[in-house]
Amino acid sequence: DTGVSQDPRHKITKRGQNVTFRCDPISEHNRLYWYRQTLGQGPEFLTYFQNEAQLEKSRLLSDRFSAERPKGSFSTLEIQRTEQGDSAMYLCASSPRLETPETQYFGPGTRLLVL
Amino acid sequence: GQNIDQPTEMTATEGAIVQINCTYQTSGFNGLFWYQQHAGEAPTFLSYNVLDGLEEKGRFSSFLSRSKGYSYLLLKELQMKDSASYLCAVLDSNYQLIWGAGTKLIIKP
Repeated sequence: DTGVSQDPRHKITKRGQNVTFRCDPISEHNRLYWYRQTLGQGPEFLTYFQNEAQLEKSRLLSDRFSAERPKGSFSTLEIQRTEQGDSAMYLCASSPRLETPETQYFGPGTRLLVL
Repeated sequence: GQNIDQPTEMTATEGAIVQINCTYQTSGFNGLFWYQQHAGEAPTFLSYNVLDGLEEKGRFSSFLSRSKGYSYLLLKELQMKDSASYLCAVLDSNYQLIWGAGTKLIIKP
């Protein structure tokens, strides 16, 4: 296993369109996180899963955002009716629950541009 | 509220030493992480401190003082490839990572 992978790496879309991103975590990691990052800022937490259960969701996550992890392996993040303010890098990270420290390992990110 | 402060940008010379500071105010503390992030890439793990003191890992060292809510990352023998942003993040009482905005480090020859 070579690490966390994300697809696509880049996405350009028009305002109002829906987009879906995929994240494949490191295979033995049961925790999976989604973050959003804009230029000059640190990652902003969106949501996280332990196995297939979505345990936490940021209050910043509007109803247009939804995430799933149906079989506790890969995860998808969907943004409906995209807005220009959604333009950002979307990062996925995974961590093994029982490791100390519980280090999060990041994927390469999906860069979204909404026109 | 929760807050992590670090300088926005620092400049240093190749071969020198630089110290990047981070102060934090969070609801609970379960450890502090430093990540490196090159432009356009994902963050990569550098270090973790949960007890007071200095952790050394090659050219990089990280220090923590829980009573002062303070950490620093020390980079020695700077190389051009060290030009990147350095992110400080604290694991709070809910085991959520709270991130600083990052310090952009510019290395000059």
